[in-house]
Amino acid sequence: DAGVIQSPRHEVTEMGQEVTLRCKPISGHNSLFWYRQTMMRGLELLIYFNNNVPIDDSGMPEDRFSAKMPNASFSTLKIQPSEPRDSAVYFCASSPDRVMDTQYFGPGTRLTVL
Amino acid sequence: GEDVEQSLFLSVREGDSSVINCTYTDSSSTYLYWYKQEPGAGLQLLTYIFSNMDMKQDQRLTVLLNKKDKHLSLRIADTQTGDSAIYFCAEIANSGYSTLTFGKGTMLLVSP
Repeated sequence: DAGVIQSPRHEVTEMGQEVTLRCKPISGHNSLFWYRQTMMRGLELLIYFNNNVPIDDSGMPEDRFSAKMPNASFSTLKIQPSEPRDSAVYFCASSPDRVMDTQYFGPGTRLTVL
Repeated sequence: GEDVEQSLFLSVREGDSSVINCTYTDSSSTYLYWYKQEPGAGLQLLTYIFSNMDMKQDQRLTVLLNKKDKHLSLRIADTQTGDSAIYFCAEIANSGYSTLTFGKGTMLLVSP
């Protein structure tokens, strides 16, 4: 298996633009997680899906952030409009079924908002 | 609330043992994990321990859990330069849809 796939790996955009990050979980995994990593705040869980349904989105910073999982093999995290403070590395992770199952992380998307 | 604390930095010499420490506050934690993050990469699971265990050994890695003190440690024997990375402690409670709570990570620097 190729593991969790994220695209793009790097994104540089200007303040106010829309940004869409993509994730393909490991085939057969039922849980998908979006994290944000910054030096100041460490690793933060943004949202968690189970069987394509958002279970916990309490970590989503504000209405500018939205996430979807239209099917079991694809998820997006969208920021509109983007702001410089959104600059971070965004990770997607998937796990087989239960939350306590091992999470497998993608390589991350490094987002820079100018 | 849940909180996981780690020291931010550890420096050792190649061949020495490294001990990375972690404390957590959630007494209902049932699974505790150690993840490793190399530069420019995602997190990779190293090992985990159930809360009903106090020790787990896996090759050069030894995990010790003191449930009374809510203290978890990761010992790396014969540390190599390739072990240089950020190590994250994480815990999860066995309650429905609980999610992982990560510490801020300990940067391990191994010098030759």
